[in-house]
Amino acid sequence: GAVVSQHPSWVICKSGTSVKIECRSLDFQATTMFWYRQFPKQSLMLMATSNEGSKATYEQGVEKDKFLINHASLTLSTLTVTSAHPEDSSFYICSAFTGTGIYEQYFGPGTRLTVT
Amino acid sequence: GQNIDQPTEMTATEGAIVQINCTYQTSGFNGLFWYQQHAGEAPTFLSYNVLDGLEEKGRFSSFLSRSKGYSYLLLKELQMKDSASYLCAATDSNYQLIWGAGTKLIIKP
Repeated sequence: GAVVSQHPSWVICKSGTSVKIECRSLDFQATTMFWYRQFPKQSLMLMATSNEGSKATYEQGVEKDKFLINHASLTLSTLTVTSAHPEDSSFYICSAFTGTGIYEQYFGPGTRLTVT
Repeated sequence: GQNIDQPTEMTATEGAIVQINCTYQTSGFNGLFWYQQHAGEAPTFLSYNVLDGLEEKGRFSSFLSRSKGYSYLLLKELQMKDSASYLCAATDSNYQLIWGAGTKLIIKP
């Protein structure tokens, strides 16, 4: 099946710093990638839809200036958490469509961000 | 509005059968996914139903009734490794996923 990687798998940063998370589709081209965050014991919350070559579409309530998304190529999307605060600590997961078949989303392994 | 309902938690015994229900209300409907998620890991795909009926895949089966806005995931011959959260997600008319909160399944020996 399709493989999506994420880097880093976990990161600890100080409050006020910025953190970049990479999401790569390893064996397919993904014109569309999705960024989710998940708090403990809760379901996935879609943050934004990332489209290659265009601006990301953010969900209501998600600050686009705080969560910068760049989909620079058909295999790479990045999420940058700017001026991170402890409340940004969460599990961030990306996913991608293969663009064929049943619109199945393939998920990356996730990145656990802890802001101290 | 759009809504997905599934039980918060279920408990079952190793070797038994368990059915996890999901009801949905969406703006248009294209299909329904079931994902498995172990604690601290990303979700993994289990099934996708578009048409009414039961689809079987090994120990796991998924059922859909579009007229009732209802689906279930059936797990047979439960194993301890099946302890996880099971997420139901419906695709609306724009193929956007609407996620349920997940059902935590606890398997006891």
